Amino acid sequence: TQLLEQSPQFLSIQEGENLTVYCNSSSVFSSLQWYRQEPGEGPVLLVTVVTGGEVKKLKRLTFQFGDARKDSSLHITAAQPGDTGLYLCAGEDNNAGNMLTFGGGTRLMVKP
Amino acid sequence: ETGVTQTPRHLVMGMTNKKSLKCEQHLGHNAMYWYKQSAKKPLELMFVYNFKEQTENNSVPSRFSPECPNSSHLFLHLHTLQPEDSALYLCASSQGTGTGGELFFGEGSRLTVL
Repeated sequence: TQLLEQSPQFLSIQEGENLTVYCNSSSVFSSLQWYRQEPGEGPVLLVTVVTGGEVKKLKRLTFQFGDARKDSSLHITAAQPGDTGLYLCAGEDNNAGNMLTFGGGTRLMVKP
Repeated sequence: ETGVTQTPRHLVMGMTNKKSLKCEQHLGHNAMYWYKQSAKKPLELMFVYNFKEQTENNSVPSRFSPECPNSSHLFLHLHTLQPEDSALYLCASSQGTGTGGELFFGEGSRLTVL
């Protein structure tokens, strides 16, 4: 099973700050998904990246897939309290029937 | 109702009890999943059903017994659980399996085993 490591595990920032969270693996993934899970809810898909080097933007969120498709980052500009939640990356694992392998998550708290 | 619905949202049970978790999806998907979410651990895939047939069982102890009567409903029967089984159990659905497609999750069932 391929492993995904997310960093940092916890992040507490003030409203308006910028932040970047990382998702790293020693293995190659054919695609990578980012989910956000708010308290008391299930994870919700934010974006899927497929091509090495791909950059996708979702309002203030910028997602990048590493050139070698082993890592990804999520950058949030001018964070807001509504961005608070658990951010999960999930890689499509070709060695496991294309099932998703999840990282441990980054828990973000944005204080007003 | 829309999306993926899980009941109950919270469950407290003793180690000798028998209980069941229920999941229903209204998205017309063919695949359904059970995941376990514990503190400080990645989401753990437990079971996968595709067109009502179980396609994945990730070495889950037999005290967890899944049931999928049709593509819209999924159950997780619980019996003789241990305190370390306390976790959030998430149900998910997708259009198919093995495509790396989007998973649609329910809100989860928070289980506490005393």
